[in-house]
Amino acid sequence: GAGVSQSPRYKVAKRGQDVALRCDPISGHVSLFWYQQALGQGPEFLTYFQNEAQLDKSGLPSDRFFAERPEGSVSTLKIQRTQQEDSAVYLCASSLVQEGETQYFGPGTRLLVL
Amino acid sequence: DAKTTQPTSMDCAEGRAANLPCNHSTISGNEYVYWYRQIHSQGPQYIIHGLKNNETNEMASLIITEDRKSSTLILPHATLRDTAVYYCIVRVGDNAGNMLTFGGGTRLMVKP
Repeated sequence: GAGVSQSPRYKVAKRGQDVALRCDPISGHVSLFWYQQALGQGPEFLTYFQNEAQLDKSGLPSDRFFAERPEGSVSTLKIQRTQQEDSAVYLCASSLVQEGETQYFGPGTRLLVL
Repeated sequence: DAKTTQPTSMDCAEGRAANLPCNHSTISGNEYVYWYRQIHSQGPQYIIHGLKNNETNEMASLIITEDRKSSTLILPHATLRDTAVYYCIVRVGDNAGNMLTFGGGTRLMVKP
């Protein structure tokens, strides 16, 4: 079946521009996570949704980062006034809601801020 | 979540078993052991997870010590396509909102 998809796969932005990254989770998956992966590092948690509710945003690095999932399916991660340190791969993962459930990751969006 | 310790890198000959160790000496009773891998330029891929018992699936086997303080991921017949960074993660499993906390992982190089 279809996995998690993300778009665009690559994004180049000039410093100060706003960007929007999209995640389509696996159909029926209630939980959705965003992670940020800097070059050579493991992914780091950004935020978590259960359906349309954003239950944890403790990993968002600044108020320039905003995520939404208005209908409990597709999610968008928005970064305002991008900075060079925002350059990273942004990963989306989705899962069912059950004990020990597995998170399935998309291919990521590679963001380069010049 | 408990912290994990993994070797930075390992080599394995193609066709041989790859045994990747992980220490998680502070693991709690309700924490699962998860293994993910990340092939270059791809998102992390789920491999296997377990709580207390050894587990096996089509990709790998997971051996958890009786005291649960360490585990080993076994790829029985490594291929070149298994070259990746392997992450061992411990995570509380009874809360759907628990994020995965990735460490540095083990960079496995499978050589012909």
